[in-house]
Amino acid sequence: SQTIHQWPATLVQPVGSPLSLECTVEGTSNPNLYWYRQAAGRGLQLLFYSVGIGQISSEVPQNLSASRPQDRQFILSSKKLLLSDSGFYLCAWSPLGGGKYNEQFFGPGTRLTVL
Amino acid sequence: RKEVEQDPGPFNVPEGATVAFNCTYSNSASQSFFWYRQDCRKEPKLLMSVYSSGNEDGRFTAQLNRASQYISLLIRDSKLSDSATYLCVVNVRTGNQFYFGTGTSLTVIP
Repeated sequence: SQTIHQWPATLVQPVGSPLSLECTVEGTSNPNLYWYRQAAGRGLQLLFYSVGIGQISSEVPQNLSASRPQDRQFILSSKKLLLSDSGFYLCAWSPLGGGKYNEQFFGPGTRLTVL
Repeated sequence: RKEVEQDPGPFNVPEGATVAFNCTYSNSASQSFFWYRQDCRKEPKLLMSVYSSGNEDGRFTAQLNRASQYISLLIRDSKLSDSATYLCVVNVRTGNQFYFGTGTSLTVIP
């Protein structure tokens, strides 16, 4: 069966510090991978998605970046965090090509607080 | 206009009640539809996919109306454990875009 891991679970960082969040998927090959952010009391905002190694699509302009160095690894980074980067960061995967109904599955998330 | 719109609620219902949520989507090219459940401070979890002919999973029934571009979720015989936020999600296959509603909050009261 497939599992998705994210770490760390929680993170408190000062403004201006760098960020690196990691996500890995097990039990599947060539997944589509996604990074979302959910601000307090708000909906999910798609940040990046990837359909393959080195292929990253960005949805919103921001000071975040993403990389996919390996098939089942997705990394979210920032060189300098802003207060507005605080939120709940969720990694998700879906089968490449959509599978039967193209469901998307989420990792446990990283709760980031920027002070 | 938002891709997906939901009534945020909150819906406060007694145990045993039947409750229905609706969701509208704007992109007629949307191909797949889902309901997710999100507990407080947790990740969203897939509740059920929504099939064109409608589908049922125990106490939960999902319906899709392509002509009117809306999706519904019906929960019968509500349990305390059903308290959560329910997210409507649509997928437009081009670019593998998933669009989430902001969620509808449900509290089931003893």
